Amino acid sequence: GESVGLHLPTLSVQEGDNSIINCAYSNSASDYFIWYKQESGKGPQFIIDIRSNMDKRQGQRVTVLLNKTVKHLSLQIAATQPGDSAVYFCAEIYTGANSKLTFGKGITLSVRP
Amino acid sequence: NAGVMQNPRHLVRRRGQEARLRCSPMKGHSHVYWYRQLPEEGLKFMVYLQKENIIDESGMPKERFSAEFPKEGPSILRIQQVVRGDSAAYFCASSQGHYTGELFFGEGSRLTVL
Repeated sequence: GESVGLHLPTLSVQEGDNSIINCAYSNSASDYFIWYKQESGKGPQFIIDIRSNMDKRQGQRVTVLLNKTVKHLSLQIAATQPGDSAVYFCAEIYTGANSKLTFGKGITLSVRP
Repeated sequence: NAGVMQNPRHLVRRRGQEARLRCSPMKGHSHVYWYRQLPEEGLKFMVYLQKENIIDESGMPKERFSAEFPKEGPSILRIQQVVRGDSAAYFCASSQGHYTGELFFGEGSRLTVL
């Protein structure tokens, strides 16, 4: 079946270091990918997205990389800050008709001061 | 510009009671999505609605669950005869078009069934 999954359940990084969160997807038809951040007790918050015609997209302190060959997505956070501590979800969708955004299980990022 | 508004934020129900969760999408958004999140898990799609229409309810249990998005007023997710397994956080999201652009989420409604 189609699924989106994350390699590691938790990630602990030192404040100031770079973080890399990885995600594998299995639906080769997916053409739009999004990373969300969810803080405790809150709803998911959009971080960055990427379409399948790109392999890299940069935002403010974040970069998303897409490798369609191995169906892999990663989120890089530069100079990780305590405020980055949250659960991160990757999500995928094929933007054709009758499609839905499918979320992975989530990975917890913990930033050590 | 107010975001997606959900209420109640917390709801406690006894087994067999009904739960009604409300969602007001962002201004100008006519596409609404409901997701359920169990503890320590990701979000599971339940239903996708446009004004007065259910577009995709493939993720919603066939019994006890229903959703609507009337012409006027918020979208409602209704759970009848709740059971303990319904305890979860229910999130609503909205967008301008079908998954076009950013999907904006509300803060969620946390249902606890005693």
